[in-house]
Amino acid sequence: SQELEQSPQSLIVQEGKNLTINCTSSKTLYGLYWYKQKYGEGLIFLMMLQKGGEEKSHEKITAKLDEKKQQSSLHITASQPSHAGIYLCGAHPYSSASKIIFGSGTRLSIRP
Amino acid sequence: GAVVSQHPSWVICKSGTSVKIECRSLDFQATTMFWYRQFPKQSLMLMATSNEGSKATYEQGVEKDKFLINHASLTLSTLTVTSAHPEDSSFYICSAPTGGTQETQYFGPGTRLLVL
Repeated sequence: SQELEQSPQSLIVQEGKNLTINCTSSKTLYGLYWYKQKYGEGLIFLMMLQKGGEEKSHEKITAKLDEKKQQSSLHITASQPSHAGIYLCGAHPYSSASKIIFGSGTRLSIRP
Repeated sequence: GAVVSQHPSWVICKSGTSVKIECRSLDFQATTMFWYRQFPKQSLMLMATSNEGSKATYEQGVEKDKFLINHASLTLSTLTVTSAHPEDSSFYICSAPTGGTQETQYFGPGTRLLVL
């Protein structure tokens, strides 16, 4: 079965600093999703990547999927308190699947 | 954008009772919906796939007789936790894919269950 490893597990960053969260799989990723979650709340869709080498940006968040489609990174530039939360990467376990399997999550705290 | 709702948002029940959680896609039809469970400080664990018009598909280790799933219509799936026990206390989240060539998946706000 496919497992997604996220690193780091938790991160404390000074406001204004940049940060990167990684998501790694031992198998090819089909449809790599990034979500953000406030504790005890639902998930907020950030981005979806499908093609090897693909990169997408939204406001100060950039996500990349490597050429082999086995690793993705989420980069936040000039972090703000509103970026605090849990970041989850998810992927389809195989190409024809709609279900999403999630990584372990990265808990991000922003220090004022 | 597409919206998925859940009801109730939180529920407290006594041990041994059954609890039903609803998941609705508000502005799109979903032949498939997914149910996840999340324990504190942990990630989402997929429990089952809800299929409209057919039986749900459960992930390994999930008791189908305990977590009853009914996909009553193209916009509604229900999860019933039967004979709930304190260890069933968790955050339950549903999701629904929008389908189409630009398919994405939207998640409900979650239901917090506390079994006393």
